[in-house]
Amino acid sequence: ETGVTQTPRHLVMGMTNKKSLKCEQHLGHNAMYWYKQSAKKPLELMFVYSLEERVENNSVPSRFSPECPNSSHLFLHLHTLQPEDSALYLCASSQAEASSYEQYFGPGTRLTVT
Amino acid sequence: GQNIDQPTEMTATEGAIVQINCTYQTSGFNGLFWYQQHAGEAPTFLSYNVLDGLEEKGRFSSFLSRSKGYSYLLLKELQMKDSASYLCAVMDSNYQLIWGAGTKLIIKP
Repeated sequence: ETGVTQTPRHLVMGMTNKKSLKCEQHLGHNAMYWYKQSAKKPLELMFVYSLEERVENNSVPSRFSPECPNSSHLFLHLHTLQPEDSALYLCASSQAEASSYEQYFGPGTRLTVT
Repeated sequence: GQNIDQPTEMTATEGAIVQINCTYQTSGFNGLFWYQQHAGEAPTFLSYNVLDGLEEKGRFSSFLSRSKGYSYLLLKELQMKDSASYLCAVMDSNYQLIWGAGTKLIIKP
């Protein structure tokens, strides 16, 4: 595997379900991100982990819970979601030390909440 | 508040040149990025500007004017595979990326 991988690619869940999204990066980066992408809206930064410490959560609802067990893996735990949470969830990674280091994105998980 | 503006959609002809503009108002500036995103795929990095001027990379060029809060992405010799969304993003004083909503570029034969 190379780059940034995400599983599952598609997820349909009911509002009472609990599920988790997984992201793995094979680039040796030390920062990882979760973004939400809704149609015709800017990417919304949800969570940032730099050197495995969470540094930003941007007031995301508590029904989204991130976990970063090590610098290569990132999870997003989902519970009691709302239909408006349906979106593409993108994971990204980068080197934390330099502002010029671009973020590398995974292919995303297309989430539908019914 | 922080704001990134770019056109929602543009149409151009194969073989032609197109310029996609981006204006921004952010708390601090640590560089501007352009990303390309094909439908159903991940965004991929195109360019980074932190100083004023033009950066050229093959058929793609990116320009920055920090005093005007303005950038553009110039695509030359357009190909059908250039049909995609182009995302402008600014790194603010907290080193977080602020994103525009993206410009959907449609290339016609």
